[in-house]
Amino acid sequence: AQRVTQPEKLLSVFKGAPVELKCNYSYSGSPELFWYVQYSRQRLQLLLRHISRESIKGFTADLNKGETSFHLKKPFAQEEDSAMYYCALGLIYNQGGKLIFGQGTELSVKP
Amino acid sequence: NAGVTQTPKFRILKIGQSMTLQCTQDMNHNYMYWYRQDPGMGLKLIYYSVGAGITDKGEVPNGYNVSRSTTEDFPLRLELAAPSQTSVYFCASGGGQGYEQFFGPGTRLTVL
Repeated sequence: AQRVTQPEKLLSVFKGAPVELKCNYSYSGSPELFWYVQYSRQRLQLLLRHISRESIKGFTADLNKGETSFHLKKPFAQEEDSAMYYCALGLIYNQGGKLIFGQGTELSVKP
Repeated sequence: NAGVTQTPKFRILKIGQSMTLQCTQDMNHNYMYWYRQDPGMGLKLIYYSVGAGITDKGEVPNGYNVSRSTTEDFPLRLELAAPSQTSVYFCASGGGQGYEQFFGPGTRLTVL
């Protein structure tokens, strides 16, 4: 079965501390993984996707197929990073591009 | 470019009432989606469409219906509202194979 698990509902860190938001997935096919973010009073939006191998707002995520993980990391958290973060598994090919979302992790960065 | 728009923003329904949640996108995307989000849970796919005239069920389709007569519009219909349908509903659209999805602002629905 296809499933995405984010084990932490809330992650609270101080400004300048490293951040790691965990994401594990279950999928028998070749995974396409994404991180979406929702800032307060804003729409859900794409943060980054694994195939791009890019760093957005200082965040990176590496796909580890052996551990079936796609953890989101940032070396130095900023207060403006406070938001809800969702990991998503994309069923791209022949499945209409559907996304399976994790439960979400609320990141709170304290001054 | 308004992106994805949803109406209404809020709605309270009585049990058994019907309503349509509207969703429109102006990005000429073929793929459109409806999700619901319950408190503390991730988004669950209700229905999706890969083009005008084509729709398919997602994870949680029971109690809902959709239609896709144009590329722009993808309304979601609740026929007999139930308290279990109290949720926040998000519409999204995507280009290509739905690669990146662009979300609307959401509709908060309460069924009493």
